[in-house]
Amino acid sequence: DTEVTQTPKHLVMGMTNKKSLKCEQHMGHRAMYWYKQKAKKPPELMFVYSYEKLSINESVPSRFSPECPNSSLLNLHLHALQPEDSALYLCASSQAHGVPTYEQYFGPGTRLTVT
Amino acid sequence: ILNVEQSPQSLHVQEGDSTNFTCSFPSSNFYALHWYRWETAKSPEALFVMTLNGDEKKKGRISATLNTKEGYSYLYIKGSQPEDSATYLCAFISGNQFYFGTGTSLTVIP
Repeated sequence: DTEVTQTPKHLVMGMTNKKSLKCEQHMGHRAMYWYKQKAKKPPELMFVYSYEKLSINESVPSRFSPECPNSSLLNLHLHALQPEDSALYLCASSQAHGVPTYEQYFGPGTRLTVT
Repeated sequence: ILNVEQSPQSLHVQEGDSTNFTCSFPSSNFYALHWYRWETAKSPEALFVMTLNGDEKKKGRISATLNTKEGYSYLYIKGSQPEDSATYLCAFISGNQFYFGTGTSLTVIP
């Protein structure tokens, strides 16, 4: 199974809501990633988890809170978002972080709209 | 912030045409270059992982070359088919960081 799944596919939330994005992989990968992509821009790295520990936080505002409950799951908890946070949120995994020859396996993304 | 540029931004070709596009990246601190294909409503999928200057990789009708000294990679598609329509993303890997380009959007017209 080389699939990374993400739920939900689409999410509309108000600025006072709390919601979570979920990501799952069953490839035994030990690195998992959250990216944010705005239209016509490259995916921007937000967080990296390596062996279930937060390895990289790219100065992401605290209204985004990642969680890695186990090696297969990655969550992104959202609270008090702003309209400019509307974007496609992509999850990815790889065998290990920091090995340049390991490709990333991506999920299809969650399209988030903040109203 | 490191710049990875892809050109052209978008491309329309007729079925059967061959085409190519470019990924430009810094020529220093190079670790690897990845190419991904991203079809609409699907997940990006890795096409090639390239590490050595002069590397050439091929998968069916798609091939890629790498020049790390001058900082570019070309992706070629021979005899384009409608199913090749997608956005092609390159990612420059330096240290443990991935830097993506904005992609080239390819539309193959039947």
